[in-house]
Amino acid sequence: SQQGEEDPQALSIQEGENATMNCSYKTSINNLQWYRQNSGRGLVHLILIRSNEREKHSGRLRVTLDTSKKSSSLLITASRAADTASYFCATTGSEKLVFGKGTKLTVNP
Amino acid sequence: SQTIHQWPATLVQPVGSPLSLECTVEGTSNPNLYWYRQAAGRGLQLLFYSVGIGQISSEVPQNLSASRPQDRQFILSSKKLLLSDSGFYLCAWSGGLLYNEQFFGPGTRLTVL
Repeated sequence: SQQGEEDPQALSIQEGENATMNCSYKTSINNLQWYRQNSGRGLVHLILIRSNEREKHSGRLRVTLDTSKKSSSLLITASRAADTASYFCATTGSEKLVFGKGTKLTVNP
Repeated sequence: SQTIHQWPATLVQPVGSPLSLECTVEGTSNPNLYWYRQAAGRGLQLLFYSVGIGQISSEVPQNLSASRPQDRQFILSSKKLLLSDSGFYLCAWSGGLLYNEQFFGPGTRLTVL
């Protein structure tokens, strides 16, 4: 299965700190995506990184992709209480997206 | 701009009752449409997806079915609900290829008693 697996399952930090979440997958991919889900809500797309890209930025988000290690990381800098949510990576080979089980991030004020 | 709607937002149904969840998308044409289920504290399980009217692909064999009667309408149904059907149901759409970014609706919380 090419399902991504996030690590850690849960992360608790203080406001202002950086949060790093990792995603590992098993097969070659076309792209890897990160999504955020606030409790009881739908998922929101954050960023897409293609297999030929190594790093991508969007605001306070930084995503890296290492295809040789089949892994990706999502860094949220200067975290805020509003960043509290679950974060999912989604991987794809040639067809559909497959979502991992997510990292639950808690940012304490 | 594109929007996606789901209803109802919450639903409590007895075991053995029928189910119909509806999803509609506005502001785009010929979207790919998806139904996911999310158990409490778990990841997303893809149930069905559709690349066009009347075209349904099933990912997990179960007592649920999906239909796409119109280009921007996706319906999830069941004739008889099971306790294990409880969960958070999410509809999503994407444009172009199936592995493009997806846009999710607000979800339906289904509790089967």
